[in-house]
Amino acid sequence: KQEVTQIPAALSVPEGENLVLNCSFTDSAIYNLQWFRQDPGKGLTSLLLIQSSQREQTSGRLNASLDKSSGRSTLYIAASQPGDSATYLCASNDYKLSFGAGTTVTVRA
Amino acid sequence: DGGITQSPKYLFRKEGQNVTLSCEQNLNHDAMYWYRQDPGQGLRLIYYSQIVNDFQKGDIAEGYSVSREKKESFPLTVTSAQKNPTAFYLCASSNGLAGTYEQYFGPGTRLTVT
Repeated sequence: KQEVTQIPAALSVPEGENLVLNCSFTDSAIYNLQWFRQDPGKGLTSLLLIQSSQREQTSGRLNASLDKSSGRSTLYIAASQPGDSATYLCASNDYKLSFGAGTTVTVRA
Repeated sequence: DGGITQSPKYLFRKEGQNVTLSCEQNLNHDAMYWYRQDPGQGLRLIYYSQIVNDFQKGDIAEGYSVSREKKESFPLTVTSAQKNPTAFYLCASSNGLAGTYEQYFGPGTRLTVT
C-alpha cells in the first residue's frame, strides 16, 4: 500500500523567502505525482502534475521535481507572498491518488 | 464554466439518519471519486467510478454507498452504519481512471453529525 509523507507539517516564513516543500512516497511504480493547494474550508486546486517520465514541471513561480528512484518530490515556490499561505498536498497516482497529510504554509508580511 | 459542484456546502444531521451528498460535473469526465478529509490527515478514497453503472470500493467504503446512473452525477450516501461520519467530503473527476489523467476537485461538503 502506497504511503505518502509530507514534512514538515507546518512552515512559517517571511515574505520574499523561497519555499521548499517535501513529499516522499514508498512505492515508485506511479503514473504521476500531483501537487495541490487547499485554502481553509475549500476544495483542492491542482498546481502541478508531473508525469512519471518527467523530472520536473514549472508554472510561474512554482517548480516541482520528481525523483522516482528515491521516492521523492519537491515543490519550490519562489519569492513567497502572503497569498501563498495555504495547505499544500502532494498525491501519488498508481491508478488512484494516495495523499500526504499536507504542509501548512504561513507567509508573514 | 466547466467544473464540479457539490451541494450543500454545510450539512447537519442527527445520529442514525442517512444523508446524501450531491456531486455534479460538466467536464465530460468518465471517472469520478469521493474522498473524506479529517483534520491533520490526508484525503482517503471512499468510492470511485470509471463508467456509468459501475463503481468500486476505495480504502474506507464501509458505511457509505454510491450510485452512478448518469455520467455527470455521482451522489454519496452516508448511512447510519458509518461510525464517525463527521468530516469534510470532497468529490473529484478525471478523464480516465489510471495513467496520466489529472484529477479536478469540487468545493467540498462539510458534514456534521450530532
